[in-house]
Amino acid sequence: QVTLKESGPGILQPSQTLSLTCTFSGFSLSTYGMGVGWIRQPSGKGLEWLANIWWDDDKYYNPSLKNRLTISKDTSNNQAFLKITNVDTADTATYYCARIDYYSSYPDYWGQGVMVTVSS
Amino acid sequence: DIQVTQSPSSLLASLGERVTITCQTSQSISNNLNWYQQKPGQAPMLLIYYATSLQTGMPSRFSGQYSGRSFTLTITSLEPEDIANYFCLQHYSAPYTFGAGTKLELK
Repeated sequence: QVTLKESGPGILQPSQTLSLTCTFSGFSLSTYGMGVGWIRQPSGKGLEWLANIWWDDDKYYNPSLKNRLTISKDTSNNQAFLKITNVDTADTATYYCARIDYYSSYPDYWGQGVMVTVSS
Repeated sequence: DIQVTQSPSSLLASLGERVTITCQTSQSISNNLNWYQQKPGQAPMLLIYYATSLQTGMPSRFSGQYSGRSFTLTITSLEPEDIANYFCLQHYSAPYTFGAGTKLELK
């Protein structure tokens, strides 16, 4: 059974760095073809694909945020991470992680999301 | 980026009614579009992949079709447990992009 769960700080101030963790089970990021993606949804707005990381440590970043994003993984602990630097109120959103299979290319299992608020 | 236009944004329907939701993409993506169902506070669940394939375990009243750049999700007979938000995702090219979502409510 594949499960994913996001965790984050809840609230942070503008200009700080947002650190998110995705803890998963039922698959391994050391397995050929596996990947994890990060997606966010501001309240009342649409979903936005942020970044993804593959089993071979290849990474993709959405060009609209590329300079601010860093994705990484810890295969031994079944975790993936996303950092967003210099946050502002526009980064207030629910953040999701999802499993991706390289060959199908789409996310099949998602976490339930974690709400992050940027406020002074 | 590929734009995905989803309609309607909200929908009131009665139990047993046939429901259709549409996504239109700004360029051809072949069949690289998925549909997801999301209930409040829960993780999105994959419903339909590659435009027409029903995900294992999902009820057969859900189906997907496409023609060119237009994709539809149909619920043949609405059940109470189908009340949720639905969104589409194009996974043809990065960055993947999403429809804005459809909030399905009971009339």
